[in-house]
Amino acid sequence: DQQVKQNSPSLSVQEGRISILNCDYTNSMFDYFLWYKKYPAEGPTFLISISSIKDKNEDGRFTVFLNKSAKHLSLHIVPSQPGDSAVYFCAASDGLDQGGSEKLVFGKGTKLTVNP
Amino acid sequence: EAGVTQFPSHSVIEKGQTVTLRCDPISGHDNLYWYRRVMGKEIKFLLHFVKESKQDESGMPNNRFLAERTGGTYSTLKVQPAELEDSGVYFCASSQDSYHSGNTIYFGEGSWLTVV
Repeated sequence: DQQVKQNSPSLSVQEGRISILNCDYTNSMFDYFLWYKKYPAEGPTFLISISSIKDKNEDGRFTVFLNKSAKHLSLHIVPSQPGDSAVYFCAASDGLDQGGSEKLVFGKGTKLTVNP
Repeated sequence: EAGVTQFPSHSVIEKGQTVTLRCDPISGHDNLYWYRRVMGKEIKFLLHFVKESKQDESGMPNNRFLAERTGGTYSTLKVQPAELEDSGVYFCASSQDSYHSGNTIYFGEGSWLTVV
């Protein structure tokens, strides 16, 4: 039973436009969410995170939005660059509260291609 | 500063054989995690060490998997005997403190295991 779902296996956008990657989760106990980027033959690299007490977190070109009622989060990349082409993983945990687990539950990933 | 280092990068073994994967975390990182990605599936948590203690091993699939972290430095993950379904990429990650405190989890490049 997949608790974190990334329903789009791939996404293609034009350089300079906005990339929107979506993620849905089912476990209402999740209180911390992260996005990772992964290039081929490399490990995942942390991109941005958001706790459940917020609905938006921004870091440069990257913004994560959280809609708790819909159990949905999205990653916006503006403007998209060819170097952003990679697989993006959404991850969640329920560990913010004391005693919670440190484990991350990942989605299957979305392959983003930014065309020049 | 060296990142998370994993060895071997690739391993091909026959069903029934034993394989030992090694992970050297970033120096000074007390938290060490093992994750696995089977082809086409999501990245799944295996276990979490804090120093030499197993904090959470709820993701270990069965007793054919044994993880150790003697002395709280490097860690090994042994699969004995290996089965075909164990094939995948095994990622190690480390963090100085809980990532909930804002500490980043750094992933290694992964150890690719193929069981034939």
